[in-house]
Amino acid sequence: GAGVSQSPSNKVTEKGKDVELRCDPISGHTALYWYRQSLGQGLEFLIYFQGNSAPDKSGLPSDRFSAERTGGSVSTLTIQRTQQEDSAVYLCASSSLAYNYNEQFFGPGTRLTVL
Amino acid sequence: AQTVTQSQPEMSVQEAETVTLSCTYDTSENNYYLFWYKQPPSRQMILVIRQEAYKQQNATENRFSVNFQKAAKSFSLKISDSQLGDTAMYFCAFMKPNQMAAGNKLTFGGGTRVLVKP
Repeated sequence: GAGVSQSPSNKVTEKGKDVELRCDPISGHTALYWYRQSLGQGLEFLIYFQGNSAPDKSGLPSDRFSAERTGGSVSTLTIQRTQQEDSAVYLCASSSLAYNYNEQFFGPGTRLTVL
Repeated sequence: AQTVTQSQPEMSVQEAETVTLSCTYDTSENNYYLFWYKQPPSRQMILVIRQEAYKQQNATENRFSVNFQKAAKSFSLKISDSQLGDTAMYFCAFMKPNQMAAGNKLTFGGGTRVLVKP
């Protein structure tokens, strides 16, 4: 079946602009995660959604970052007033209740460049 | 909080030979999962192998095997008979299972770049 998809693949924006990154998880997966991969910070957790529960936002670096998940499926990560340090690859992953070890399946990421 | 350390930024290996990547972690948990992920230039993170902390037997997946030393908090990956397609970044990751069945966040190491030379 189809894997996790993300759009756009690449995004170039100017400092101060808002951007939206989209993630389509694997159909039926109830858990969805966002991670950020940057040169300075490596791979870091941003936010986690599980079904209808309140999301775990503990990894969001500032209040300029927000995410939502509509209808328990598609998720959008929004970065307001982008800064150059926001330049990174944003990875989305999903997982299923069916797996005891909670394997996370990753999308190809969105490379964000802030000029 | 958990931390994961990969001390080798880069490794190179000749095709058909063996390379071992090191990973150490720090946690106060007794039950957890450890993973090795591969990230080729396409950016797609691919699960290579996983290990449950309560299992003493080291996990093996074809040419990939781990040496899990729980007391030492060490989790190394051995790639045998290296192939050109193994060229990628490799990330060690830690997960503490939570009570909700569908998962928890991964904590990643800094990665090791592996180059397989023909």
